[in-house]
Amino acid sequence: KNEVEQSPQNLTAQEGEFITINCSYSVGISALHWLQQHPGGGIVSLFMLSSGKKKHGRLIATINIQEKHSSLHITASHPRDSAVYICAVTETSGSRLTFGEGTQLTVNP
Amino acid sequence: GAGVSQSPRYKVAKRGQDVALRCDPISGHVSLFWYQQALGQGPEFLTYFQNEAQLDKSGLPSDRFFAERPEGSVSTLKIQRTQQEDSAVYLCASSFLSGNQPQHFGDGTRLSIL
Repeated sequence: KNEVEQSPQNLTAQEGEFITINCSYSVGISALHWLQQHPGGGIVSLFMLSSGKKKHGRLIATINIQEKHSSLHITASHPRDSAVYICAVTETSGSRLTFGEGTQLTVNP
Repeated sequence: GAGVSQSPRYKVAKRGQDVALRCDPISGHVSLFWYQQALGQGPEFLTYFQNEAQLDKSGLPSDRFFAERPEGSVSTLKIQRTQQEDSAVYLCASSFLSGNQPQHFGDGTRLSIL
């Protein structure tokens, strides 16, 4: 069993739809990260959170520490949101990131 | 630019050759990480430096993999006697301090072993 699990693996949506990607983890963490990866490899950090909720534009990330669960929401999705979204955690024991497998999001016009 | 720079972007090598991948972190960043990402999977940790000290190399898959950061800035990941299973994207990330910090990623080096 992976320490960080994401669902769904693949998600296809129509432009304008509300999107949710889920992440569950099984280890103690000091922070959870949501990352975006476009074709070609570059990874961009979207959020780092250890409690509650953060919002940036159309993106919202929430975390429930007791349930070891986080969600990434995209409101009013757009084709340019198409990318792989990766959940990662910083374990309490160190600095390195442990990653989920990623969710491939495709938003069709 | 001010971001993390990796070179080369693409590397093709024959099985058995040695390769060296370079990472230029953001200036002043203390922490530097190397990750390996196989096709269709999430990245996996290889090794971690704090300044010039390699504090964690538990993710290196074999003794053919070696990383260094001699002056606490640029880092090189070397793979000796490459094998086909080494084909992957190698990502470098840096952060300003150690511990709980956002990590800034380079675009990666895509390594293909023929």
